[in-house]
Amino acid sequence: AQRVTQPEKLLSVFKGAPVELKCNYSYSGSPELFWYVQYSRQRLQLLLRHISRESIKGFTADLNKGETSFHLKKPFAQEEDSAMYYCALSGYGNKLVFGAGTILRVKS
Amino acid sequence: EPEVTQTPSHQVTQMGQEVILRCVPISNHLYFYWYRQILGQKVEFLVSFYNNEISEKSEIFDDQFSVERPDGSNFTLKIRSTKLEDSAMYFCASSDSWVEDSTDTQYFGPGTRLTVL
Repeated sequence: AQRVTQPEKLLSVFKGAPVELKCNYSYSGSPELFWYVQYSRQRLQLLLRHISRESIKGFTADLNKGETSFHLKKPFAQEEDSAMYYCALSGYGNKLVFGAGTILRVKS
Repeated sequence: EPEVTQTPSHQVTQMGQEVILRCVPISNHLYFYWYRQILGQKVEFLVSFYNNEISEKSEIFDDQFSVERPDGSNFTLKIRSTKLEDSAMYFCASSDSWVEDSTDTQYFGPGTRLTVL
């Protein structure tokens, strides 16, 4: 079965502090992992995917197959990073399986 | 930048009524999806559609649900006889390709909030 777990419902940090949003997955094959972000009153949009291995808006995520994790990190949080973040997995077929989401709140 | 659009943004209906949710995918995309999110719960996959047929569906997508691409631009989700538990945000998404062993980026619409009374 495909499953994505985001253990934190809310993560609150101060501006300039490091951020790590946790994501663990369960899938027997080779998954593709994604992070989607939803800013207030906006649509879900792709932040990054593991196969592209790029940094978007200062965020990075590394797929750790041993720990079945795909944590999202940013060294210095900014207020505009405040949003809902969803980790998602795609295995066989094209459907996305989402985690429950983590609200990131960056305080000034 | 092209975007997926959805109408209406909010639909209120009585239990037992039929509803049709509409989506206009990005114009050169070939793969279409519906997801839903019940308040406070995860975003859940409902169905994927390619080449005028369903390519995959979840167990949520029972006989009460159907999808259609009635013309070259619209993609619809119909719920024949709505139930209270169908109340949710429904998201349409599209992608322009699917390469074997890879997943292309899915672009999401803003969602339609369905309220069943």
